[in-house]
Amino acid sequence: DAGVTQSPTHLIKTRGQQVTLRCSPKSGHDTVSWYQQALGQGPQFIFQYYEEEERQRGNFPDRFSGHQFPNYSSELNVNALLLGDSALYLCASSRTGTSVSDTQYFGPGTRLTVL
Amino acid sequence: QKEVEQDPGPLSVPEGAIVSLNCTYSNSAFQYFMWYRQYSRKGPELLMYTYSSGNKEDGRFTAQVDKSSKYISLFIRDSQPSDSATYLCAMSAWGGYNKLIFGAGTRLAVHP
Repeated sequence: DAGVTQSPTHLIKTRGQQVTLRCSPKSGHDTVSWYQQALGQGPQFIFQYYEEEERQRGNFPDRFSGHQFPNYSSELNVNALLLGDSALYLCASSRTGTSVSDTQYFGPGTRLTVL
Repeated sequence: QKEVEQDPGPLSVPEGAIVSLNCTYSNSAFQYFMWYRQYSRKGPELLMYTYSSGNKEDGRFTAQVDKSSKYISLFIRDSQPSDSATYLCAMSAWGGYNKLIFGAGTRLAVHP
């Protein structure tokens, strides 16, 4: 089991550009969540995708959008990049179900630097 | 006030010490509690997952949840230099698979 994978590992962009980050969930998982982690802070929830639809959204502007594909993989898109978007972007996968044991497993993250 | 408060440390202890890490929270709807370990420039790794109140033990790690006090703890026995990392508490109201609210993380250094 490869676990949660993310690409690319690192990315450098300039202000105003657009970026796409990718995530493949752990085998057997159908739900993907995205988090932003600024340096020295805990991860902050951006949104969650399930059955190819955005199910929940955190307090992030519309510049942040996403997509989930039929194979459960997901993309995070950020438009009109700002310096403050520089962070580690984490993807977490899980299985939506009724078991109390279902929880989220994180990928290694994509480090985005905006210059 | 943040929903989840966690002392950022850093916490420095000698090898073999018992480490106590804590979080407090304000939202009484939280029922699912997790501890993640994060090494520098890596993704968080799930350590412990507890539903509702009580204790859970896994090897050198013990997680405690006191919902009446809105307080959770992680204890590490016989700490090792390899335990040096940032420890993040996380919580959810609707299930561990759902939106997680994280603390800021506590940096732990275990020195030989």
